[in-house]
Amino acid sequence: GAVVSQHPSWVICKSGTSVKIECRSLDFQATTMFWYRQFPKQSLMLMATSNEGSKATYEQGVEKDKFLINHASLTLSTLTVTSAHPEDSSFYICSASGGGGQANQPQHFGDGTRLSIL
Amino acid sequence: AQRVTQPEKLLSVFKGAPVELKCNYSYSGSPELFWYVQYSRQRLQLLLRHISRESIKGFTADLNKGETSFHLKKPFAQEEDSAMYYCALRTGGFKTIFGAGTRLFVKA
Repeated sequence: GAVVSQHPSWVICKSGTSVKIECRSLDFQATTMFWYRQFPKQSLMLMATSNEGSKATYEQGVEKDKFLINHASLTLSTLTVTSAHPEDSSFYICSASGGGGQANQPQHFGDGTRLSIL
Repeated sequence: AQRVTQPEKLLSVFKGAPVELKCNYSYSGSPELFWYVQYSRQRLQLLLRHISRESIKGFTADLNKGETSFHLKKPFAQEEDSAMYYCALRTGGFKTIFGAGTRLFVKA
């Protein structure tokens, strides 16, 4: 159980394109989803926390207009990288946490999306 | 400031040897700590969490509030333990902060 599916797994696109990444919890309701960015050989950096039905909370230094997050349902959150540029190339990972009383709920991670902007 | 420190980027041990992956944290509140593991070409997955006080795949980790540490230990390393290990701290807002990770390499 507790499977998180992330799509696409790899996307290559031209500079200036907007790219949407989906994160779905397949067998549980994810009240909270997290979006991370991972640079090569570095740790995961939290970008934002999204709660179903409300605006995402962005970490300091993360442009909310650049990285649009939507969490419209309990099983789906999307991250849209708007007008992507080569410096946005990275590995993006989502995770989901679910259930009431989230204090004891671990995070379940997707496989990640490798974004390459040419 | 909230911070997780994993001082070793790479740890190499022989099969059957004890292994300890170090993790120190900085957090003013009551910490909730986790160890996550990422095997080659697989997604990140939870290994264990301090509130469970469990042993998973022979690994244990004890929260030491005095030393602000949550080191991961296993008495006899196996080749299949080779992976990337991340220590993580979850704060009161359910935000999780990850350490830089330690790559464990278990040699035959």
